[in-house]
Amino acid sequence: GESVGLHLPTLSVQEGDNSIINCAYSNSASDYFIWYKQESGKGPQFIIDIRSNMDKRQGQRVTVLLNKTVKHLSLQIAATQPGDSAVYFCAEHLYTGNQFYFGTGTSLTVIP
Amino acid sequence: NAGVTQTPKFQVLKTGQSMTLQCAQDMNHEYMSWYRQDPGMGLRLIHYSVGAGITDQGEVPNGYNVSRSTTEDFPLRLLSAAPSQTSVYFCASRGQETQYFGPGTRLLVL
Repeated sequence: GESVGLHLPTLSVQEGDNSIINCAYSNSASDYFIWYKQESGKGPQFIIDIRSNMDKRQGQRVTVLLNKTVKHLSLQIAATQPGDSAVYFCAEHLYTGNQFYFGTGTSLTVIP
Repeated sequence: NAGVTQTPKFQVLKTGQSMTLQCAQDMNHEYMSWYRQDPGMGLRLIHYSVGAGITDQGEVPNGYNVSRSTTEDFPLRLLSAAPSQTSVYFCASRGQETQYFGPGTRLLVL
């Protein structure tokens, strides 16, 4: 999961395994969520999004699950590859104020 | 379609100097934002704009100015750089929902 502090949570997985990255968001009024991937020295890259009226959305090798009851978001990456190594963070959009708020991220390392 | 572009990629400033970070997007998005990213913290909003001629402050606006004379461009100005402004700066633009980021500008203030 994500946390505030100097050290990012880390996740190490073997190549080919599935990865699950978690995010606890803060506001029950958030209506839209995005998962981003950020490689070292690069800008955040959009992976997948989900609206608050959905609980699951699938993309290519990625699935996002939303549990509004406990304010929890997860990103599942199937058959993880070395190129998936990066920091992943979630963003929640608050309808009131029309702003995004970002988690600190989880560092994923894929072991070949 | 280049998306969101930022210049420069890197910059070193001395305390008290001023500079402008450039940001441009070619997606005809109305909404543009500037964020800073510091170790151990999530992206924090500096300023944003909902359209040409309209700007507003975000969470950490002090020491920064913005303007939005065109839909495409959204420059960020540091008026008098301070070491606390050492960070990585990201510009973003948004269509209906999804927000896209530029590659970032790494700024070091000595």
